[in-house]
Amino acid sequence: QVQLEQSGAEVKEPGASVKVSCKASGSIVTDFYMHWVRQAPGQGLEWLGWINCKNGDRDFAKKFLGRVALTRDTSSSTVYMELSRLRSDDTAVYYCARLTDYYDSSGAYNGGAFDIWGQGTTVSVSS
Amino acid sequence: QSMLTQPPSASGTPGQRVTISCSGRNSNLGTNGVVWYQQFPGTAPKLLIYPHDQRPSGVPDRFSGSKSGISASLAISGLQSEDEADYFCAAWDVSLNGWVFGGGTKLTVL
Repeated sequence: QVQLEQSGAEVKEPGASVKVSCKASGSIVTDFYMHWVRQAPGQGLEWLGWINCKNGDRDFAKKFLGRVALTRDTSSSTVYMELSRLRSDDTAVYYCARLTDYYDSSGAYNGGAFDIWGQGTTVSVSS
Repeated sequence: QSMLTQPPSASGTPGQRVTISCSGRNSNLGTNGVVWYQQFPGTAPKLLIYPHDQRPSGVPDRFSGSKSGISASLAISGLQSEDEADYFCAAWDVSLNGWVFGGGTKLTVL
């Protein structure tokens, strides 16, 4: 059974950086496309970006370009999300989530969905 | 502001059927399938419906999804108290080249 285990809560000052880890177990992480999603207190979900754990290709939401970095360590099946130049509105729970692609019975691609989620990492930004 | 629009709240009594709507644009729901997630307080979202209108194993068949054009809906029949949670819709947006979510609907079982 695939599980994603994230690192613990972080408290940071504005302007600092935070690095959150997401360790996969129960499957080979190089098979994954790992995405990152965050949720501010009492708010909805916001997508940050993805990384192809096999070759390291990645892409990000335009809003986070230049501020977020996604890396992976295949030897430890761990993916990392680093967010820099933190602001108070970056206070949120950050989730890693595996994307799985779905196909119909004829092999046609139907779409993807986040089927496995980490437990979330709370990042608090405050002076 | 969320790219997909959901009502902030919905409610029903046990046994009732409730629906939660999700509206988007051509670049997301008009082009790609919709995904639904269920989230309980303090926990990570859980996949409820994936394209097209399929349920992962373990999700009761009381939950069903549908999509037409740029609108989608989640239906819950035979409402139970344990269905009280937040529900989010999501889709890939080809213009933004990223995932977009609805703002979430808080379902209350009266």
